[in-house]
Amino acid sequence: EAQVTQNPRYLITVTGKKLTVTCSQNMNHEYMSWYRQDPGLGLRQIYYSMNVEVTDKGDVPEGYKVSRKEKRNFPLILESPSPNQTSLYFCASTSGQYNEQFFGPGTRLTVL
Amino acid sequence: QKEVEQNSGPLSVPEGAIASLNCTYSDRGSQSFFWYRQYSGKSPELIMSIYSNGDKEDGRFTAQLNKASQYVSLLIRDSQPSDSATYLCAGLSGSARQLTFGSGTQLTVLP
Repeated sequence: EAQVTQNPRYLITVTGKKLTVTCSQNMNHEYMSWYRQDPGLGLRQIYYSMNVEVTDKGDVPEGYKVSRKEKRNFPLILESPSPNQTSLYFCASTSGQYNEQFFGPGTRLTVL
Repeated sequence: QKEVEQNSGPLSVPEGAIASLNCTYSDRGSQSFFWYRQYSGKSPELIMSIYSNGDKEDGRFTAQLNKASQYVSLLIRDSQPSDSATYLCAGLSGSARQLTFGSGTQLTVLP
């Protein structure tokens, strides 16, 4: 089954404690993205990757890092989380031909 | 600044009626447009994509694109309570293939 998976699905942590949210897709897509979704602000892109070892900032990259060492995985790293990073995070993977973007199930992060 | 604007709603329609959702965009370079459905607490699910001017139909859904007016719409015929969700409009532009999302329209279909 074609899918995008994320882990963990829920995470409560404290300010400053480094964390990683994993994302994996099995569709062999080159393009992957991370979004955060906040009430009233909609979906905002954090980072994207056009291929292995090629990443770039989206609209709200501050406080986040990503890596793309292999095509299927695109982890999101918060080196020193802060309460304003409390949000719902989605990873997405985009098909090459039609640019259709498929989302993972989401990770709800709370930073205390 | 690329923007995608949606009528914020909420929008309520009776069961069996046509729901009409609208979206405008500012970037004339936008190439493709997508409609996503998102249930509360769930991830966005792609329901329609449209790449050229005109209408595209898929079951009870019809997407309409007018590039001259920079306008995209989604019609849902024979609306069902299970269609109650937030609908997100998104436009694709640039070589980086970035999607810009609208803030969504919350639709409620009343039984």
